[in-house]
Amino acid sequence: GQNIDQPTEMTATEGAIVQINCTYQTSGFNGLFWYQQHAGEAPTFLSYNVLDGLEEKGRFSSFLSRSKGYSYLLLKELQMKDSASYLCAAMDSNYQLIWGAGTKLIIKP
Amino acid sequence: DTEVTQTPKHLVMGMTNKKSLKCEQHMGHRAMYWYKQKAKKPPELMFVYSYEKLSINESVPSRFSPECPNSSLLNLHLHALQPEDSALYLCASSHLTDRLNTGELFFGEGSRLTVL
Repeated sequence: GQNIDQPTEMTATEGAIVQINCTYQTSGFNGLFWYQQHAGEAPTFLSYNVLDGLEEKGRFSSFLSRSKGYSYLLLKELQMKDSASYLCAAMDSNYQLIWGAGTKLIIKP
Repeated sequence: DTEVTQTPKHLVMGMTNKKSLKCEQHMGHRAMYWYKQKAKKPPELMFVYSYEKLSINESVPSRFSPECPNSSLLNLHLHALQPEDSALYLCASSHLTDRLNTGELFFGEGSRLTVL
């Protein structure tokens, strides 16, 4: 079957760095997405990885290892507004997104 | 214009009502999606339209009826819903995915539906 695993909740301190891990098992693979979702709002796109390695975009970076079925989202210089759920989603061979349950990130002052 | 617009933002309906959710995008995307999202859960795919034709129906009950009148509009007609259908309904659009693009989904803000 197809499955995405990520931690349910994480807590970090303002100004610090946090890494949110995601492991996936899909029928075929066409990329790994990270989305941010604030409570009561729609998900917004953060990053896409299809090749191994690190993609950096400002304070956010995303890493992929296809051989390990593993990705992480790295958030630096955390701000209070980064408190949100972070959804990992893998695209399978039919180009459908398989979603993780999301990681709720709590930022403390 | 990178927006997906959904109306209404909030909807309360009884189990015998008929209502519709509407979605509009003007990004030239030819794939449009309906997702259902319950609290603290990821989005669940309901329907996908590709080039205005229904390409995926994830075994959704017939009380939900999608319609794609043109490449910019997507509707979800609701009839005889149950209280457990209360959720956030998200519309999304994307370029049709192939090996040359990212398949990034652009989401609307959602329509929060409450069925009494």
